[in-house]
Amino acid sequence: GEEVAQTPKHLVRGEGQKAKLYCAPIKGHSYVFWYQQVLKNEFKFLISFQNENVFDETGMPKERFSAKCLPNSPCSLEIQATKLEDSAVYFCASSPHTGLNTEAFFGQGTRLTVV
Amino acid sequence: GNSVTQMEGPVTLSEEAFLTINCTYTATGYPSLFWYVQYPGEGLQLLLKATKADDKGSNKGFEATYRKETTSFHLEKGSVQVSDSAVYFCALSPSFSGGYNKLIFGAGTRLAVHP
Repeated sequence: GEEVAQTPKHLVRGEGQKAKLYCAPIKGHSYVFWYQQVLKNEFKFLISFQNENVFDETGMPKERFSAKCLPNSPCSLEIQATKLEDSAVYFCASSPHTGLNTEAFFGQGTRLTVV
Repeated sequence: GNSVTQMEGPVTLSEEAFLTINCTYTATGYPSLFWYVQYPGEGLQLLLKATKADDKGSNKGFEATYRKETTSFHLEKGSVQVSDSAVYFCALSPSFSGGYNKLIFGAGTRLAVHP
């Protein structure tokens, strides 16, 4: 597609439940990035992929969070046993390659509310 | 480490006023610098970027100059419009073999423009 598509737009989970978020990058883009927007505005980098391979996972919490990008499927971000502090908007971005003039295109985000 | 500091908002201006949003950064090497804009309920859109010292990024009347000596990338616009009301994020991409990697964001500055 011509835009990064994230689903669902909104997700409500009770504490302890699993949450799974999806991201379809722009067709032809090799890199996918996940960011978490917490509190009012703060963005935190979580993880990036080059095709189906993890590129950089230095921002991923070691527990409960996992992510995948499999061939011919949307990428996914999964949170096991959600906690209240996981409430945030999760943004996905994709870019065609890494280079000085490369732009990352962002999706509309998934708002996760843990109650 | 790498970090971005931007002025706290909100910034409230009258239409046609001059806008400056300050942004300074800490980084090793030669990062690329970006300004992103987030309109209510939407994802991030790239506003402008600069990839090396003294470069000036510009778009839609907004400008920012990459100042290595002051480690700054201040956003300016000569005459703001109501439609510019949004949250503005300064960001950097750390040097990575000259290419793009993850983005490190500032906390965001909310701009409200009144008629």
